[in-house]
Amino acid sequence: GAVVSQHPSWVICKSGTSVKIECRSLDFQATTMFWYRQFPKQSLMLMATSNEGSKATYEQGVEKDKFLINHASLTLSTLTVTSAHPEDSSFYICSATGTGFVQPQHFGDGTRLSIL
Amino acid sequence: DAKTTQPTSMDCAEGRAANLPCNHSTISGNEYVYWYRQIHSQGPQYIIHGLKNNETNEMASLIITEDRKSSTLILPHATLRDTAVYYCIVRVAPGNTGKLIFGQGTTLQVKP
Repeated sequence: GAVVSQHPSWVICKSGTSVKIECRSLDFQATTMFWYRQFPKQSLMLMATSNEGSKATYEQGVEKDKFLINHASLTLSTLTVTSAHPEDSSFYICSATGTGFVQPQHFGDGTRLSIL
Repeated sequence: DAKTTQPTSMDCAEGRAANLPCNHSTISGNEYVYWYRQIHSQGPQYIIHGLKNNETNEMASLIITEDRKSSTLILPHATLRDTAVYYCIVRVAPGNTGKLIFGQGTTLQVKP
């Protein structure tokens, strides 16, 4: 149980375009979802926390206008990287949790974003 | 949440027990110890967590010292598929929807 699906798993696009990444909880209602970014050989860095129906809370240094997060339902959150540039190339990972869960978070398998 | 310290890397022979240490000397009374691992190019996978008693599940055992300032994750019979980065994280109680902060973790290399 508690499966989190992320889509797409891999995307390549041109500089200046916007890219949307979806994160879905398949068999539970996710009251809270998290977005992380991971550069090669580095640890996961939390970007933002989103609660269903509320505005996301961004970590210090993360541009909210650059990384748009929408958590419109209890099973779906989206991250849109706007006007992407090569420095935005990274591994983006989402996680989700619900009330009463023993595990803090269930993670998706990540999206590898490459900006040319 | 309390900060953790882990060795950067460790090796283990296949079939032997892998013992991964973690120091969390500033842990608070209401903070749990969680272990996750990340296999290359995948999302993190939950392993186990505990408060003060030792815990065991189908994946691993968690030994927490009596003063709770350190802990050890034990993989009893390591396989090549256990090669991964292992993260020790301390944070408040289960059921809380707060954030997880990942440190650098320990890269475990299981060798044939």
